[in-house]
Amino acid sequence: KQEVTQIPAALSVPEGENLVLNCSFTDSAIYNLQWFRQDPGKGLTSLLLIQSSQREQTSGRLNASLDKSSGRSTLYIAASQPGDSATYLCAVITQAGTALIFGKGTTLSVSS
Amino acid sequence: EPEVTQTPSHQVTQMGQEVILRCVPISNHLYFYWYRQILGQKVEFLVSFYNNEISEKSEIFDDQFSVERPDGSNFTLKIRSTKLEDSAMYFCASSLLDFFFGQGTRLTVV
Repeated sequence: KQEVTQIPAALSVPEGENLVLNCSFTDSAIYNLQWFRQDPGKGLTSLLLIQSSQREQTSGRLNASLDKSSGRSTLYIAASQPGDSATYLCAVITQAGTALIFGKGTTLSVSS
Repeated sequence: EPEVTQTPSHQVTQMGQEVILRCVPISNHLYFYWYRQILGQKVEFLVSFYNNEISEKSEIFDDQFSVERPDGSNFTLKIRSTKLEDSAMYFCASSLLDFFFGQGTRLTVV
């Protein structure tokens, strides 16, 4: 059964810092990996999708990498801003299923 | 930009009552999903739906739950007899390749 773990559970940084959020998954036979942002009490906003054949994706200040063999992904946020404060969720689809399986998330707080 | 729309945004219901949560997925998407998130916990998969039938479901999705695509645009989740522990945020999602989620329906069972 696929398990997704995100470390750290919470992170506080001053504005302007570069930071890395980590995601690991137990079954490396994944189809896709997707990073989301969730603001308190709100829905999930898609940030980046990495297909299994890809190693990384970039969007603005965000860069996500994928190492399938080791079962890991990282989300790099450059020059963090207070508006980046949210919970970041990592989710994977295994090749055997259709469901997106989520980690518990990393709650990021960026102070000005 | 196309989006997944959910109604209502908040529903309060008495224990034992039936509720129907509604979703309008993105029009050209092929897969539809329901997820739930109990307050403070992770987002959990309930069911996926493709080609007018359930393609996968979790252990949470028992006989109290059902899904339907009654027409070409709506996708619904029905809970037949709500329990207190069904209180959660319910998210609808649709996908072609990557997943798009709605803003959720907060269900409160009293």
